[in-house]
Amino acid sequence: QQQVKQSPQSLIVQKGGISIINCAYENTAFDYFPWYQQFPGKGPALLIAIRPDVSEKKEGRFTISFNKSAKQFSLHIMDSQPGDSATYFCAASSGAGSYQLTFGKGTKLSVIP
Amino acid sequence: KAGVTQTPRYLIKTRGQQVTLSCSPISGHRSVSWYQQTPGQGLQFLFEYFSETQRNKGNFPGRFSGRQFSNSRSEMNVSTLELGDSALYLCASSRDGKNTEAFFGQGTRLTVV
Repeated sequence: QQQVKQSPQSLIVQKGGISIINCAYENTAFDYFPWYQQFPGKGPALLIAIRPDVSEKKEGRFTISFNKSAKQFSLHIMDSQPGDSATYFCAASSGAGSYQLTFGKGTKLSVIP
Repeated sequence: KAGVTQTPRYLIKTRGQQVTLSCSPISGHRSVSWYQQTPGQGLQFLFEYFSETQRNKGNFPGRFSGRQFSNSRSEMNVSTLELGDSALYLCASSRDGKNTEAFFGQGTRLTVV
């Protein structure tokens, strides 16, 4: 059972455009939602994270929008740059018991000049 | 501040052998989690350790095991290797394992031939 569904699988955006990646979750116990960026040959790097008590969080060009009632959250990358070309993963975890991240399948973003 | 260190970076093993991977978390972090990353299944949770105790285990066979030492360093072991165990094995550390930021190492690329 896939508990975090991520879309699209791949995304091509023009330089300067907005990249939008969406995720939906099923487990209402999830209360922490991070996004990770992964370049080939590297481990995932934490980009930005949000908790359900806020609907939006912005850090630089990266914004998370969170809709608790719809059980959806999304990553917006403003002014996308070729250096943003990477695979992005959404994830979710609950604070109960232990720390386990459940990941989406990933979105391969290509930003073309 | 040093990041999460995983050794070795690359390993080639033969079917039936066993392997041990090592992870040194960020100084002060007490929670260490392990994940398997493959193109088909994505990032899947293996297990999480906190203060030398395994708190949670993912849906993997008993051939996969781990431990954590008093200095928070962790090892994972895979016995009787199968071709399907070929993957990138990632370790993540977090300060207290309660839905705080988790930081990944570069991973160990295991190839089973």
